[in-house]
Amino acid sequence: QVQLQESGPGLVKPSQTLSLTCTVSGGSISSGSYYWSWIRQPAGKGLEWIGRIYTSGSTNYNPSLKSRVTISVDTSKNQFSLKLSSVTAADTAVYYCARGEPGTAWGQGTLVTVSS
Amino acid sequence: DIQMTQSPSTLSASVGDRVTITCRASQSISSWLAWYQQKPGKAPKLLIYKASSLESGVPSRFSGSGSGTEFTLTISSLQPDDFATYYCQQYNSYFALTFGGGTKVEIK
Repeated sequence: QVQLQESGPGLVKPSQTLSLTCTVSGGSISSGSYYWSWIRQPAGKGLEWIGRIYTSGSTNYNPSLKSRVTISVDTSKNQFSLKLSSVTAADTAVYYCARGEPGTAWGQGTLVTVSS
Repeated sequence: DIQMTQSPSTLSASVGDRVTITCRASQSISSWLAWYQQKPGKAPKLLIYKASSLESGVPSRFSGSGSGTEFTLTISSLQPDDFATYYCQQYNSYFALTFGGGTKVEIK
């Protein structure tokens, strides 16, 4: 059974780049035909889709974040990553990684706080 | 972008009640609609995909219906474990994915 685990700094300074990694276990990230996604959720608010990367490496991003987001995959490490640049307090949220569309497997989430 | 509008935003119900949540898309998404359940501090859990298909392991009291722009999630007999927040999500691959605003199901 595939499992996902987010990792990365819990605190990022304003204007810097948020970087998170999702490590996949229990299956190869390059096998099958899956989308691998990032979703976030500010405290007390709803879910926001950030973007996805396909097994082939193609990406799609939320238009509202597109200019600041990069999602990449490292098949040798069975990981995919999120980079969000020029962060502000509005980017403070729990960040989730997920497999598939719809998301059949999710990480537990990691809280990222943007603060000086 | 496709906007997803969920209603109601909050719902108060009792154990045993039949509960219906509605999700409307701003344009047709065919049947590319999923429903998730989320409990505090936990990741969302997939309940329904392709508008009406029940995810493996999900109790049969959950059901989904609809196509095009209007969709519903029904819980036939609300159980104590069902008090949570529910989200719809459109996953039409031609567009950016979007979630509804959520419906919190509370104890009456």
